[in-house]
Amino acid sequence: EAGVAQSPRYKIIEKRQSVAFWCNPISGHATLYWYQQILGQGPKLLIQFQNNGVVDDSQLPKDRFSAERLKGVDSTLKIQPAKLEDSAVYLCASTYTPGQASSYNEQFFGPGTRLTVL
Amino acid sequence: KQEVTQIPAALSVPEGENLVLNCSFTDSAIYNLQWFRQDPGKGLTSLLLIQSSQREQTSGRLNASLDKSSGRSTLYIAASQPGDSATYLCAANSGAGSYQLTFGKGTKLSVIP
Repeated sequence: EAGVAQSPRYKIIEKRQSVAFWCNPISGHATLYWYQQILGQGPKLLIQFQNNGVVDDSQLPKDRFSAERLKGVDSTLKIQPAKLEDSAVYLCASTYTPGQASSYNEQFFGPGTRLTVL
Repeated sequence: KQEVTQIPAALSVPEGENLVLNCSFTDSAIYNLQWFRQDPGKGLTSLLLIQSSQREQTSGRLNASLDKSSGRSTLYIAASQPGDSATYLCAANSGAGSYQLTFGKGTKLSVIP
């Protein structure tokens, strides 16, 4: 079974530029999460999708961050314009529909995209 | 709001020692608790998942326990090896139907040959 795919793996941009990250979840996983992990911290949830709908985006800085999952499969996270403090690893995770007994609600993570803003 | 704390922040042990990593959470209404391993510059690898109804889970040299009432989980690593060196993160799955992970800051483990 293929895991969660993310691209690019690394990205370096200057502040005020824009950047986009892509995630393809495990086949059949209805729920997709984007996390931000700043160096030395644990991952922090940015947004949660169930199929193509947003479940929770309360921690997404909406003035500069946006995310979509138009067809309920892969997802894109965008930052425009980027700030120095956006330097972090952006992790994507997926799971089966939460609450279903067969899933155990285990989240599977991709390798992440390391963003450096100069 | 769920908060997760991991102690210690860093740990250095000689090869072969048994060790315990600690995780505490403030809201006991969790669905499960996951332990992850993260190598430098890499993503998260799931090690163990304990359902809220379970007390412990074992995988090889790893054993994780859960005490919901006290808001604590421990990860026990037996006979540590240099290859175990990594950051270990625990995450509580909660959120009133939204099934979201709240992570601790991790424990950075170094196993000295």
